[in-house]
Amino acid sequence: DSGVTQTPKHLITATGQRVTLRCSPRSGDLSVYWYQQSLDQGLQFLIQYYNGEERAKGNILERFSAQQFPDLHSELNLSSLELGDSALYFCASSTRGREAQGEQFFGPGTRLTVL
Amino acid sequence: QQQVKQSPQSLIVQKGGISIINCAYENTAFDYFPWYQQFPGKGPALLIAIRPDVSEKKEGRFTISFNKSAKQFSLHIMDSQPGDSATYFCAASILQAAGNKLTFGGGTRVLVKP
Repeated sequence: DSGVTQTPKHLITATGQRVTLRCSPRSGDLSVYWYQQSLDQGLQFLIQYYNGEERAKGNILERFSAQQFPDLHSELNLSSLELGDSALYFCASSTRGREAQGEQFFGPGTRLTVL
Repeated sequence: QQQVKQSPQSLIVQKGGISIINCAYENTAFDYFPWYQQFPGKGPALLIAIRPDVSEKKEGRFTISFNKSAKQFSLHIMDSQPGDSATYFCAASILQAAGNKLTFGGGTRVLVKP
């Protein structure tokens, strides 16, 4: 168990809908990363937050957004969903001071299915 | 643009054998190269990582070999066990105080036969 929690575990929705994925980082971790894992694109970095502020952006669609709250949990919002958005979404967290060492701890993921 | 290429996509090895997975990268600014292990239904877990100032790092049965001039690195799993059956991902990043986004290879599915 990495200490990173993600809810829900599974999510089934229809095209055009909007969903919110939630992540709670390990206790004390200030950085939260979001990754998407799909069969055709593999594991791809989406976005990083550090202590409430956006720090880095990857291949994140404009229909997707994220935020990190004062209690450090993060939410990834996916809107106008398309079939191609079906994927596993992982959250990872990193510890202050160990970020420069690169260590990231991944949650169990949320499996999103868009029908 | 795939900045980290991983091969093979899958491999089958007998128990006790050696599993070898190779990765190549393009961005010479990368300075951190981790390997992650992922079991079905689980998130990736850090296995071992290397910085470019060393050519080899060993942790138990897992060894990373790093060739900076060739921009390649590999994972060797010695004495492979059925419990090692998983998907392995190489990754690369540029370490910064503000964090590091990981660029992953495509993954290798390893099956260790008893």
